[in-house]
Amino acid sequence: AQTVTQSQPEMSVQEAETVTLSCTYDTSESDYYLFWYKQPPSRQMILVIRQEAYKQQNATENRFSVNFQKAAKSFSLKISDSQLGDAAMYFCAYRSLQGGSEKLVFGKGTKLTVNP
Amino acid sequence: DSGVTQTPKHLITATGQRVTLRCSPRSGDLSVYWYQQSLDQGLQFLIQYYNGEERAKGNILERFSAQQFPDLHSELNLSSLELGDSALYFCASSGTGANEKLFFGSGTQLSVL
Repeated sequence: AQTVTQSQPEMSVQEAETVTLSCTYDTSESDYYLFWYKQPPSRQMILVIRQEAYKQQNATENRFSVNFQKAAKSFSLKISDSQLGDAAMYFCAYRSLQGGSEKLVFGKGTKLTVNP
Repeated sequence: DSGVTQTPKHLITATGQRVTLRCSPRSGDLSVYWYQQSLDQGLQFLIQYYNGEERAKGNILERFSAQQFPDLHSELNLSSLELGDSALYFCASSGTGANEKLFFGSGTQLSVL
């Protein structure tokens, strides 16, 4: 079974600075998807960014980008020009392409604090 | 707004009781997923339905059951509730295929007293 590990329970960053959240995963599959979700205090799960494993190019979405290292099974999230609204729990997730189910396996999350 | 609707938003009940959580997926989405989020277990996949049929099962207790109806809405039934069942229960929906994104509802906060 696949597992996702987020080794940083909490992180903090100054407003306008850059922060990187770490995620590693374990899988024997060669094709899959990886995601970062944001959960603000409202508890809504919001998709931040998605990466297809077969694509070597790292995904970017405005101030959010990933560093995807397939061989190392590493998938970190970089937030540039951090804003107060970025404060939230961030979850890394894995999605298998096998078995007929598109379920997500989540890490335990990283709580990000943005200091003004 | 994700387009996924969950009701109720909050539910308070007592141990031993039974509750039903309801989810309406985004228009056109055939897949519905249920997740449980608790402080100690994190986000756990419970079960997936696709067009009315069970497609995948995760760490769902035997006291829990779900179904998806012909109009594609889904219900998660929790019975013989225990204190440890207190959690935030999410429903998510997606279209067909692994390339489809999952969209989450705002969750139902269940408190078992």
